[in-house]
Amino acid sequence: AQKVTQAQTEISVVEKEDVTLDCVYETRDTTYYLFWYKQPPSGELVFLIRRNSFDEQNEISGRYSWNFQKSTSSFNFTITASQVVDSAVYFCALSAYRGSTLGRLYFGRGTQLTVWP
Amino acid sequence: GAVVSQHPSRVICKSGTSVKIECRSLDFQATTMFWYRQFPKQSLMLMATSNEGSKATYEQGVEKDKFLINHASLTLSTLTVTSAHPEDSSFYICSARVRVGRGAYNEQFFGPGTRLTVL
Repeated sequence: AQKVTQAQTEISVVEKEDVTLDCVYETRDTTYYLFWYKQPPSGELVFLIRRNSFDEQNEISGRYSWNFQKSTSSFNFTITASQVVDSAVYFCALSAYRGSTLGRLYFGRGTQLTVWP
Repeated sequence: GAVVSQHPSRVICKSGTSVKIECRSLDFQATTMFWYRQFPKQSLMLMATSNEGSKATYEQGVEKDKFLINHASLTLSTLTVTSAHPEDSSFYICSARVRVGRGAYNEQFFGPGTRLTVL
């Protein structure tokens, strides 16, 4: 079974602070993908990153960075120097391969990030 | 990137009416489309998975007679909420999985969502 846990329901920070959103996953499959999505108040999901289970390299994209650690089954997301526009709900998700078929996405419950000016 | 559209973006209807929501992949063929619903301040819950030309697979607890899904082509899937009631009010999101060659990662793209309000 697949499961994604985002323990932080809500986080509030002041602009320019760094913030880390936690994501812990469970899967028995050896080949899987992890994702982060942003959902602003408009509701549309914005894809941020995809990482496969064989690539544990950390990734940095501008103010965003991701730390993937298979040893702790975590895929944490850090926003550096947060801005008001970063305010949104952030979802971590998991999808695993069964044979040659990529399965459905399993979403965490989401973390509401509020960045105050 | 690939674009998935949903229509309508917002709908308000009276209790007892049926509502159809369309999901289209605009510039790619989708082997599979997914339908999710999202209640306020909650996560996306998968309702059903549909493959072109075959019956949809519904998740446990989702009434297939209530939420009719038709996947008539590789670019269009529809969700019909039959005899809608206020408890069906929610944000419905579709996604489409790209059809690619064997061994390649098949990306999933999300539509912008449809907000349904049943009075």
